Amino acid sequence: GIQVEQSPPDLILQEGANSTLRCNFSDSVNNLQWFHQNPWGQLINLFYIPSGTKQNGRLSATTVATERYSLLYISSSQTTDSGVYFCAVRGGTSYGKLTFGQGTILTVHP
Amino acid sequence: DTEVTQTPKHLVMGMTNKKSLKCEQHMGHRAMYWYKQKAKKPPELMFVYSYEKLSINESVPSRFSPECPNSSLLNLHLHALQPEDSALYLCASSHGAAANYGYTFGSGTRLTVV
Repeated sequence: GIQVEQSPPDLILQEGANSTLRCNFSDSVNNLQWFHQNPWGQLINLFYIPSGTKQNGRLSATTVATERYSLLYISSSQTTDSGVYFCAVRGGTSYGKLTFGQGTILTVHP
Repeated sequence: DTEVTQTPKHLVMGMTNKKSLKCEQHMGHRAMYWYKQKAKKPPELMFVYSYEKLSINESVPSRFSPECPNSSLLNLHLHALQPEDSALYLCASSHGAAANYGYTFGSGTRLTVV
């Protein structure tokens, strides 16, 4: 099956700092999403981005499908950005199955 | 309505109990999913329903029994669980299992088996 690798595994920031999270995947995909899991467990969809660039407020994401990676940018980080960020993909032959990376644990200190 | 609603939010059950988890969406999505997430791990797929029919079972033990009574509702019936089944159970939906659309997740049921 498709493999998903995220880096870094852990990231500690001071409030106001910028960061970049990376997701590498092993095969072509037709679905790539970035999620933020809050401390209560809810998976919040940040971006649906199988290719191209999108922005939403302080967050933006870029997927270069031909090179099999995606980046999530967080600018001017806030303490509420803390949590786990997951990249999840579905390949062309992966009917229905969203495969998650191991996640990046982000801690933002005030 | 752009939400997937899961109930209950927390559940504690004994190993001899029978309980059910419920998931509901009103977005007109025709694919619904159950995922299981252990602490400090990513979610893992358990079941996929497409047009109210079970299309994928990821070799899940029979003590977990899914049911899709209609296109908006997905249940997970639990019986004779083990303590290692304690986890966060997440429901999700999408326009279609084979379609190139995003998945929407519910807030999960945190299950503890004692």
